[in-house]
Amino acid sequence: DPKIIQKPKYLVAVTGSEKILICEQYLGHNAMYWYRQSAKKPLEFMFSYSYQKLMDNQTASSRFQPQSSKKNHLDLQITALKPDDSATYFCASSQEGEDSDYTFGSGTRLLVI
Amino acid sequence: QQKVQQSPESLIVPEGGMASLNCTSSDRNVDYFWWYRQHSGKSPKMLMSIFSNGEKEEGRFTVHLNKASLHTSLHIRDSQPSDSALYLCAASMISGSWQLIFGSGTQLTVMP
Repeated sequence: DPKIIQKPKYLVAVTGSEKILICEQYLGHNAMYWYRQSAKKPLEFMFSYSYQKLMDNQTASSRFQPQSSKKNHLDLQITALKPDDSATYFCASSQEGEDSDYTFGSGTRLLVI
Repeated sequence: QQKVQQSPESLIVPEGGMASLNCTSSDRNVDYFWWYRQHSGKSPKMLMSIFSNGEKEEGRFTVHLNKASLHTSLHIRDSQPSDSALYLCAASMISGSWQLIFGSGTQLTVMP
């Protein structure tokens, strides 16, 4: 059984629209993250949350908004979608601390046309 | 400049051979290193972590770390075609937000 569930697996969106990427983890971890991976860039950190509080935001654009309704949920809302947003978005989780192992979800592959 | 650099970009080894992958950080605030493996179309899976100077071995995989030079290497002996994947080096910072900074990866192909 997958310990981190990401939905949907694939998503096609029209330029200018808004989408929400879902992430739930069942590992009992207190920290959750969003990463983005595209053909042009390496795996890129976006956000980190701990106990539902934002710890770090490395995303330049306010079009990306994380939402944490429960401790084990961290969704990602993306507004005014652009073709450059096309990428695979990975959710991950860990226990607290710089030396904690991450577990990644299977990813949501987003294509913006 | 990327904070975590990996080399080579791609590597081809014969089945049964040794694959050696390198990773260096240019940021003195880096403290811990991980190696992840990502098969095509899949998510990254942690292979090994190393936090102290020296060597760590798990099965066919060995990692080395030199903290003074912030250099780590991953060695895979008796490489198998199933080892063909993108190998990602990641580092975390002292007093950071627990974010991992990833390198661009080494694409390993093991030829049968």
